[in-house]
Amino acid sequence: DVKVTQSSRYLVKRTGEKVFLECVQDMDHENMFWYRQDPGLGLRLIYFSYDVKMKEKGDIPEGYSVSREKKERFSLILESASTNQTSMYLCASSTGTSVDTQYFGPGTRLTVL
Amino acid sequence: DQQVKQNSPSLSVQEGRISILNCDYTNSMFDYFLWYKKYPAEGPTFLISISSIKDKNEDGRFTVFLNKSAKHLSLHIVPSQPGDSAVYFCAAKGRGSTLGRLYFGRGTQLTVWP
Repeated sequence: DVKVTQSSRYLVKRTGEKVFLECVQDMDHENMFWYRQDPGLGLRLIYFSYDVKMKEKGDIPEGYSVSREKKERFSLILESASTNQTSMYLCASSTGTSVDTQYFGPGTRLTVL
Repeated sequence: DQQVKQNSPSLSVQEGRISILNCDYTNSMFDYFLWYKKYPAEGPTFLISISSIKDKNEDGRFTVFLNKSAKHLSLHIVPSQPGDSAVYFCAAKGRGSTLGRLYFGRGTQLTVWP
């Protein structure tokens, strides 16, 4: 069964803290993605990765960085958290074929105070 | 600029009736389309997809229709059930893309009432 896990379901951090969100997939997928979901704005792509150590910016990369040292793990880093980064963060993975789908983790609800 | 648009933020339907969710896209290079369903505090789950070589795909109560000339797709749910109440996202993928990037609409909140 397809499995994408995220390190925390709920997280509360202070402004200025460095925040790490971890995502692990057990499907040997090539591609991994980080999104944030906000009311009325849908799913917005932050970063994605198509191979180990490879990354591409999505639509809203500002204030974020990513790391993919191993195929199964994709980390999202908030270098200095701000209140406008309070959101639901969703990780996804896919095989990389032209008709594949993305499989999502359960999400991390991050609150920055 | 949004390449995938869901112009109705919400839809309310009585149980047993048909739910029709609409989606429009602007990029003619898109050739694969998907619908996802999302409950609160959970990740989206894949529902149904359609390739641009087809105009209809059916899976149980869910049918997706694609009108390429109008750059429009719709998801029909028949009959609607209270458990279908969720946010539905339309997504599209570029022709031959192996990077797997999907372009999502902003979602439609479907409420099915008894």
